Amino acid sequence: DTAVSQTPKYLVTQMGNDKSIKCEQNLGHDTMYWYKQDSKKFLKIMFSYNNKELIINETVPNRFSPKSPDKAHLNLHINSLELGDSAVYFCASSLPGDYYGYTFGSGTRLTVV
Amino acid sequence: AQSVSQHNHHVILSEAASLELGCNYSYGGTVNLFWYVQYPGQHLQLLLKYFSGDPLVKGIKGFEAEFIKSKFSFNLRKPSVQWSDTAEYFCAVKDTDKLIFGTGTRLQVFP
Repeated sequence: DTAVSQTPKYLVTQMGNDKSIKCEQNLGHDTMYWYKQDSKKFLKIMFSYNNKELIINETVPNRFSPKSPDKAHLNLHINSLELGDSAVYFCASSLPGDYYGYTFGSGTRLTVV
Repeated sequence: AQSVSQHNHHVILSEAASLELGCNYSYGGTVNLFWYVQYPGQHLQLLLKYFSGDPLVKGIKGFEAEFIKSKFSFNLRKPSVQWSDTAEYFCAVKDTDKLIFGTGTRLQVFP
């Protein structure tokens, strides 16, 4: 059983297109996150949701729009894709509180051509 | 806001060598610290975490880390590395509602 699953695993698309990445967790966690990992492996948080409510929005262009239909799902929609959006996007989830680390999905490698 | 520094960007070792990867966080008070590992092409997995109590934390796969409050450090260690430890290692600190990651250290272990 995959704890945090993302689809698709790979996504190749042209500039200007709109695409979505889906994330689901079956751990019963309240909080979900999107992280972006750039080509230098640097991980930066983009968004977090707690029980469907947006908690963190880290100066991400408004072309990126997260949607959380329920606490087990957090999708990421990207409009008008740009070359600089190419990266690996990781979904993660956690229980509330500082004690807990995150459980990460396997990532979606987005390539914009 | 908290930040994390990992000064070793790329470490190359032979099998059976000892490993120590540096991690420093920016300011004191109560901190929750983590080490994650990312094997090639895979997602991040939790190696170990420090919350409170014993500053020497043991994790999976023979890794351990020592929290030294006076040095703002949380270095990762392993007495004898294996080829299968080749991966990217990330130190992270919990800051309010989010995990802040360091820039990562790439470890290559040669047989």
